[in-house]
Amino acid sequence: AQSVTQLGSHVSVSEGALVLLRCNYSSSVPPYLFWYVQYPNQGLQLLLKYTTGATLVKGINGFEAEFKKSETSFHLTKPSAHMSDAAEYFCAVSGPRGGSYIPTFGRGTSLIVHP
Amino acid sequence: DAGVIQSPRHEVTEMGQEVTLRCKPISGHNSLFWYRQTMMRGLELLIYFNNNVPIDDSGMPEDRFSAKMPNASFSTLKIQPSEPRDSAVYFCASSLRDSSNQPQHFGDGTRLSIL
Repeated sequence: AQSVTQLGSHVSVSEGALVLLRCNYSSSVPPYLFWYVQYPNQGLQLLLKYTTGATLVKGINGFEAEFKKSETSFHLTKPSAHMSDAAEYFCAVSGPRGGSYIPTFGRGTSLIVHP
Repeated sequence: DAGVIQSPRHEVTEMGQEVTLRCKPISGHNSLFWYRQTMMRGLELLIYFNNNVPIDDSGMPEDRFSAKMPNASFSTLKIQPSEPRDSAVYFCASSLRDSSNQPQHFGDGTRLSIL
């Protein structure tokens, strides 16, 4: 079984500041990890994914995440926040469930960006 | 390319009425998922299909909920009779297959309010 913990339901930053959204996972098999973003009144959209290979993954809109197996973490970062980054962010781990690979989502972190 | 299409976008109805939510997945995707999102519980997987066959419906809350996928391009989620606690945003998502590294593509959801 797999699970995801997102630390902090809300993160507040100033425009131009570093964004750090935390995600820790547990998985009984090598994990496949995803970050999704949800804007108001929309569905989730893929930001980036880690499957195998390079542990630093680059996504859209300047976001990146680093897979750290020893820490079971997959934190999301962006060097400089923009007002348009304000949204809900979800970390997900994909693992076997009933013979298929199904993602388990975290509870989400709301990113607030102040001017 | 057209994304996942859900209808209606909003539904307001009275308790006891039948509600039908509709979803058209991305063409060529053979896995389809129904989710419910609430503030209290976050994003919950209700049911998913592979090649139009229901694989796991353990997330369906009660017998009042049912889902069908009569063909590769259409799925419905039905609630009968509806109750106020069913009020939520319901998302449909599709993916190429239920493998570990395939991301999900979400529709914009149906916001359901049961009075």
